[in-house]
Amino acid sequence: ETGVTQTPRHLVMGMTNKKSLKCEQHLGHNAMYWYKQSAKKPLELMFVYSLEERVENNSVPSRFSPECPNSSHLFLHLHTLQPEDSALYLCASSQDVLGGTDTQYFGPGTRLTVL
Amino acid sequence: AQSVSQHNHHVILSEAASLELGCNYSYGGTVNLFWYVQYPGQHLQLLLKYFSGDPLVKGIKGFEAEFIKSKFSFNLRKPSVQWSDTAEYFCAVRFYGGATNKLIFGTGTLLAVQP
Repeated sequence: ETGVTQTPRHLVMGMTNKKSLKCEQHLGHNAMYWYKQSAKKPLELMFVYSLEERVENNSVPSRFSPECPNSSHLFLHLHTLQPEDSALYLCASSQDVLGGTDTQYFGPGTRLTVL
Repeated sequence: AQSVSQHNHHVILSEAASLELGCNYSYGGTVNLFWYVQYPGQHLQLLLKYFSGDPLVKGIKGFEAEFIKSKFSFNLRKPSVQWSDTAEYFCAVRFYGGATNKLIFGTGTLLAVQP
């Protein structure tokens, strides 16, 4: 079992659809993250959860709605997206957001295409 | 603002050539430093990291990086590259301060190694 898994791996959706991305970590970590990876741009941190509480929201549009029901699972609910939201969405986890030696481990990502 | 710069966006080398990828960051305080690698079709993997101690860090697959505090740099090196090193390399810096000690990524360097 790999450390951080994401489903689906690929998703194509219309602008009026509602879909959800799922992330699961098997590392016993307390923190989980959503990132957006677009071509020729740095990874953009979207949301941070620590012990199931959202601790950071980086001015992400409300059409992206995260949910963290427990420390092992993280969802990103999508609705009324725009074509510019097409990107690779990465989930990561780490032991502790404030730990001095904290290291993030990434999942394989969901390649999202918005038509 | 905190930022991470990777000056080489695209590097092409022949096998057995030496590699050095630059990474500079903007912040003068306490930082943790990381290099991640993304092989074609695979997820981001941790290559090496620096938290404290010896500024010359050795990672997996023969890679190393040197933290030079006075230059705000953390360059990645490998004495002899192989075709299998073809990948995208990301430098990331965690700047201490704020609610979550955010991890900031560079834009990445795409390395192509020709056999």
